[in-house]
Amino acid sequence: DAKTTQPPSMDCAEGRAANLPCNHSTISGNEYVYWYRQIHSQGPQYIIHGLKNNETNEMASLIITEDRKSSTLILPHATLRDTAVYYCIVRVQYSGNTPLVFGKGTRLSVIA
Amino acid sequence: GAVVSQHPSRVICKSGTSVKIECRSLDFQATTMFWYRQFPKKSLMLMATSNEGSKATYEQGVEKDKFLINHASLTLSTLTVTSAHPEDSSFYICSARGLAGGLNEQFFGPGTRLTVL
Repeated sequence: DAKTTQPPSMDCAEGRAANLPCNHSTISGNEYVYWYRQIHSQGPQYIIHGLKNNETNEMASLIITEDRKSSTLILPHATLRDTAVYYCIVRVQYSGNTPLVFGKGTRLSVIA
Repeated sequence: GAVVSQHPSRVICKSGTSVKIECRSLDFQATTMFWYRQFPKKSLMLMATSNEGSKATYEQGVEKDKFLINHASLTLSTLTVTSAHPEDSSFYICSARGLAGGLNEQFFGPGTRLTVL
């Protein structure tokens, strides 16, 4: 039951902004948009999440459209260490036993 | 904060033996722990969900007698792969849910790579 759609892969030049899109047209009113990434042979790492307002932290910015049907994760100055698979997940916050369900994600390659 | 450790990070075993993987939340109490596995070039697949002191809930297609999960405390869960076979070779990742670093979220361990010969 894929709730999100992401492009399978993207390239980005080192030092440039990486903009990763995600479509979630069936998102419910109480569902948040979460982003995780997985660097090769490591566990997933939390990046950011948001409900409807744009969010920014030390890692990235999250832009959510007004209708909440899509969002974009922005890595402002991509480095080689940002090469990873990025997962966009929609879920209810503080949902107890409900686990994160991962789709196929976007494989971002940052190129020198 | 929000550190989840796994041990071992890598294990190679012979077919037919059992392997135990430990998952610990180091700086927070995990109300729930999850176990995932990941085959090469594939996404993470949830295997089971466990709460401290309760029996684990397994996803469809995951054999509970083969993948034994013990959640003995709020900071420790173990996954035992019994009578391992080559097709069990995979990357096993645990995840702990709890309040840490101001977030009440799901945090992931670094993973354990199991190779069954």
